Amino acid sequence: SQKIEQNSEALNIQEGKTATLTCNYTNYSPAYLQWYRQDPGRGPVFLLLIRENEKEKRKERLKVTFDTTLKQSLFHITASQPADSATYLCALPAGGFKTIFGAGTRLFVKA
Amino acid sequence: SQTIHQWPATLVQPVGSPLSLECTVEGTSNPNLYWYRQAAGRGLQLLFYSVGIGQISSEVPQNLSASRPQDRQFILSSKKLLLSDSGFYLCAWSVTLTGNQPQHFGDGTRLSIL
Repeated sequence: SQKIEQNSEALNIQEGKTATLTCNYTNYSPAYLQWYRQDPGRGPVFLLLIRENEKEKRKERLKVTFDTTLKQSLFHITASQPADSATYLCALPAGGFKTIFGAGTRLFVKA
Repeated sequence: SQTIHQWPATLVQPVGSPLSLECTVEGTSNPNLYWYRQAAGRGLQLLFYSVGIGQISSEVPQNLSASRPQDRQFILSSKKLLLSDSGFYLCAWSVTLTGNQPQHFGDGTRLSIL
């Protein structure tokens, strides 16, 4: 079955720098991949979706890449701000209407 | 615009007591509905999903059950809670199309079993 691997260690970066988070999957390449943001005690919020035929997707300061050869997606936040501090989850389709979510990587942006 | 409501936000229950968590969606019709549980530092575990009234698919055999009595209402229940039922329960909805539809989550219920 499909498994998602996200770095369980928190990522600490300085304000203004670019944060890069990694999502690796282990099995078949999905038709698309999603990224969500989750704040403590809140539900995840959808950020971006990238399809398998798209190498890169951008939304404001966010950029997502999708490498089906490496079975990896990278999530970048440029000019990071303390307000970007949160846990970021990667998600893949799991057949039908189901989605599998990674455990997420916690990002801390220091002022 | 669409909104999703979950309640209660926090709940403390003794072992062996019943449970009822409710989720409602506004601003959309015939959504897919989902219940997830999230343990600390873990990914979201899909518990149940529903593609229509009265249609429930169970992903994990356990002492929980789900019901969808109305189009935009999804209920998670248990007759007797176990210690292992503690966790953060999230309800979500998506549009009823196959493929690349994002899920929209409520703010969850933090359930503690004593």
